[in-house]
Parts: sequence; C-alpha cells; structure tokens
Amino acid sequence: AQSVTQPDIHITVSEGASLELRCNYSYGATPYLFWYVQSPGQGLQLLLKYFSGDTLVQGIKGFEAEFKRSQSSFNLRKPSVHWSDAAEYFCAVNYGQNFVFGPGTRLSVLP
Amino acid sequence: DVKVTQSSRYLVKRTGEKVFLECVQDMDHENMFWYRQDPGLGLRLIYFSYDVKMKEKGDIPEGYSVSREKKERFSLILESASTNQTSMYLCASSRLEAFFGQGTRLTVV
Repeated sequence: AQSVTQPDIHITVSEGASLELRCNYSYGATPYLFWYVQSPGQGLQLLLKYFSGDTLVQGIKGFEAEFKRSQSSFNLRKPSVHWSDAAEYFCAVNYGQNFVFGPGTRLSVLP
Repeated sequence: DVKVTQSSRYLVKRTGEKVFLECVQDMDHENMFWYRQDPGLGLRLIYFSYDVKMKEKGDIPEGYSVSREKKERFSLILESASTNQTSMYLCASSRLEAFFGQGTRLTVV
C-alpha cells in the first residue's frame, strides 16, 4: 500500500536558521508530490508541488523541495526560517485520484 | 483565486442529532474529499467523490454518509452524531493538487 512517512514529529529551530523537513514515500511509480502547511485552526495550504521535470521545485513563502527518486524522498527546505513559519507541515502523494498524507511535522520557531 | 468553502467554522451539536457539513468549490473539479483530523492521527479520509452522484468509501466511513448532487457541492452527513465524532473536518477538491477549505471544528456534546 502507498504510504508517506515524515520521521520528525516536532522540530524546533531558531529564527534565521535553515530548515529541512524530511519526507519519504512508498509507491511503485513516480507519484505527484506535494507539501502543505497548516496554521492552527486552519485548513491546509499548498506550498509546492512536483509533477515531473526539474527535481528542485520552488514554492511560496521561500520554500523549496527536492525530489530524489533513488531515495523516494521529497524533502522540504528553507534557507532562513521566519517566526511566521511556525505551523504543521504535511507531505502528500497523489496516486490516481486519491491522496496519501504523511503524519505531519510540527515546526516551532525560537526568537 | 481558487476557493473551497465550508459552511461553518465551528459547530456544536448534541448526541443523536443529524449533522450536515457542506462544502462548495468554484474550480469545476471532479474530485472532492472529506477528511477528519485528530491530534496524533493525521488526516484520515472519510469519503471521496470523483463525479456527480458518485462516492467511494475512504478509510473511516462508519457513521458517515455523503451526498454529491451537483459538481460543486459535496456534503458530509453524520446520521446520528456521537461524541467520538468530535473532530476537525476538512473538505478538499482536486484535479491534480488538492485545495482545502478552512475546516469545520465540530463538537458533539
């Protein structure tokens, strides 16, 4: 069965530090890949997506992600974190018509 | 700007009540989804629909039903609300990527 893992439940970084959130997926073919962000009490907002082509994709709010087929990974990065980035982040895979979401990584940002 | 709108942000209902959660999208998407989100359990798929009048069970359909009479509207129905259905409910629609509504926080007392 398809699955998405996010090994880190909670990450804390200082404002201005770099960030990498990990995501691995299990799927036979190359799926469509996504990162979403959720602020408390809100729905999920799409940060970026990968369908094909260049394996480094740029998203909103200064985020980027790199698809590595050999590692079945799609890690999210940001060079310098802002306090407003504190939220929960979900990696997701689209297979066919449906989606599988990872369990989420909660990001805390220290001033 | 794409939009998925859920009819309520917060709802409080009594045990045994029939509850309707409404979701409308303006993107002409075929696919629509209902998830519930609980701490430590992530997003769990309740039902999805890939066309008008079509529906498919997700991972946790028990205690829920859905209705899709028009392409833009996907309703989630709790036939007889119970306290264990207290949760955050998220609606989404998609073609390739999913767009989410703002969520409905349902409390069953």
